[in-house]
Amino acid sequence: QITLKESGPTLVKPKETLTLTCTFSGFSLSSDGVGVGWIRQPPGKALEWVALLFWNDDKRYSPSLRNRVSITKDTSKNQVVLIMTDMEPVDTATYYCAHRGLRTSSFDSWGQGTLVTVSS
Amino acid sequence: SYELTQPPSVSVSPGQTARITCSGDALPKQYGYWYQQKPGQAPVLVMYKDSERPSGIPERFSGSSSGTIVTLTISGVQAEDEADYYCQSADTSFNWVFGGGTKLTVL
Repeated sequence: QITLKESGPTLVKPKETLTLTCTFSGFSLSSDGVGVGWIRQPPGKALEWVALLFWNDDKRYSPSLRNRVSITKDTSKNQVVLIMTDMEPVDTATYYCAHRGLRTSSFDSWGQGTLVTVSS
Repeated sequence: SYELTQPPSVSVSPGQTARITCSGDALPKQYGYWYQQKPGQAPVLVMYKDSERPSGIPERFSGSSSGTIVTLTISGVQAEDEADYYCQSADTSFNWVFGGGTKLTVL
């Protein structure tokens, strides 16, 4: 059974850097084709893809956020970390991490999400 | 930037068929995927690679693709299908993108 859980601060101030950790189980990020992605959703709004990290360390970023985000993995700890710099109130959202499966080529398992509020 | 376009809302009566469309210029070359999201919950994958149904998803959910449009069809809609539905695909540079979402209301 695949599980993922997001952790990190619930409140950050404008201009600060956000660091979120996705801790997962039930799969290995060393397996061919596997990936872990981050998706966010502002309150009452649509899903927005943020970043995706593949088993081979290939990294993909949303063009609109590429200058502010980075994604890394610690395979030994089964964790993926998202770093987003220069946070603004418009970045207030629920941040989800999700498993990208080889068979489905899509986000087939999701964490529960964590709400991050950007406010002074 | 690349966009996927969905109708904001679709309404059907129980037992009827709901069709939710998603249009995008790259869809002839990229697969479409569909997620169901109920209030306060994380999204759930209900269709992948245009028309493949994950295990555990009821058979009343089906998917199709034609040109620049992918469609999620729910046959014999039930009250529990009321949710937001999001399509997802990629642009020609393999940047992932979600549609704006469609609220399905079961009357």
